[in-house]
Amino acid sequence: DIQMTQSPSSLSASIGDRVSITCRASQNINYYLNWYQQKPGKAPKLLIYYISNLQSGVPSRFSGSGSGTDFTLTISGLQPEDFATYYCQESDSFPWTFGQGTTVDMK
Amino acid sequence: QVQLGQSGGGVVQPGGSLRLSCAASKFTFSTYAMDWVRQTPDKGLEWVAAISFDGGDKYYADSVKGRFTISRDNSKNILYLEMNNLRPEDTAMYFCARDRGRTPKYYFDYWGQGALVTVSP
Repeated sequence: DIQMTQSPSSLSASIGDRVSITCRASQNINYYLNWYQQKPGKAPKLLIYYISNLQSGVPSRFSGSGSGTDFTLTISGLQPEDFATYYCQESDSFPWTFGQGTTVDMK
Repeated sequence: QVQLGQSGGGVVQPGGSLRLSCAASKFTFSTYAMDWVRQTPDKGLEWVAAISFDGGDKYYADSVKGRFTISRDNSKNILYLEMNNLRPEDTAMYFCARDRGRTPKYYFDYWGQGALVTVSP
């Protein structure tokens, strides 16, 4: 199975900050890397698919980058509604796996 | 707006069975692959099973293979997860999710609200 490792596990930030979350795959996953946002008591929500493609309706302050095994989710100008947990997920090969999550909370 | 409405969660004893349902609306259900994903505080998000648009292809995580069965009724727009021989480690919030393509290979663009399954004596 492909292991997905996110860092950091948590971070504290302020409104307006630029926040970056990294995700490393244990092997090359090509472009099959997706990012989700989850708020307490809610289902995950797709933010970005295939490294850098913004899902419809997702604000442009979210962006994704990377290739092969190393990927980054960036939030440019953190907003109050962005405090949440973020997960990466690979869809290169079964079983699909998720990172352990990165919680973004208020500093 | 795509809707996935889940039902069927509950408390069951070890060795018991449960069936989860996921009713789809506001999209052409029969043209999308579908998945089940579960979540626990300890293990995080874990993909469980996937099914192609027509039900012809099914995929399972090793942890549930032989015990869980994913199926769909395209005439009723419902996705199912039949869970047998349940174990305490199956305790989780279970989400159904739509896969972007006809076969499971893409990403989960819409999710159900979740159904809690608790396996306890």
